[in-house]
Amino acid sequence: GAVVSQHPSRVICKSGTSVKIECRSLDFQATTMFWYRQFPKQSLMLMATSNEGSKATYEQGVEKDKFLINHASLTLSTLTVTSAHPEDSSFYICSARDWRRNKFSYNSPLHFGNGTRLTVT
Amino acid sequence: EDQVTQSPEALRLQEGESSSLNCSYTVSGLRGLFWYRQDPGKGPEFLFTLYSAGEEKEKERLKATLTKKESFLHITAPKPEDSATYLCAVQSVETTDSWGKFQFGAGTQVVVTP
Repeated sequence: GAVVSQHPSRVICKSGTSVKIECRSLDFQATTMFWYRQFPKQSLMLMATSNEGSKATYEQGVEKDKFLINHASLTLSTLTVTSAHPEDSSFYICSARDWRRNKFSYNSPLHFGNGTRLTVT
Repeated sequence: EDQVTQSPEALRLQEGESSSLNCSYTVSGLRGLFWYRQDPGKGPEFLFTLYSAGEEKEKERLKATLTKKESFLHITAPKPEDSATYLCAVQSVETTDSWGKFQFGAGTQVVVTP
């Protein structure tokens, strides 16, 4: 089945430093990947859409200079949290569609990575 | 604006005690409704997609149904390993820009005790 791999699973960093999170589609190509953020006992909130070979699309209220997204290849998207602060501590999850599974790919399910727990001290 | 509301927030069941989770939604046009299971510290795991009212999907002890305004996830004779948070998400037909915009509910945390 479709597999989305995310790394690292946990990271602790000091305030003011930057952290990079990787998201890979392991057995399919993903021209588009999605980055979500989840607070305890709350919904997943879409942060941005990562597009291979072009700029990411950010949701309203998400700082594009704070959360840098690079989709360098058809299987890899990265999220860099720059100059991290304690309020950036959260659970970040990436996702992608396996376009092979459904010809109506626009409404096929998203497959998620296992998330990255970021703690900024 | 699309809205998704899940109830109850939490559910505690005895092993074998069947129950249902509710997901009510408000969208201008439904492209798909998705159910996921999320274990603590993990990403959501896909369970079902429902596309139109009257549709049903089944997998082991789980059965998902869909009406025009809500979806139910029925858990029949649950086991402790069914303990998880169950998330519902909807995708609307508004624009192609919304391809990735799943609107998630806050989830129902299910605990099944032996």
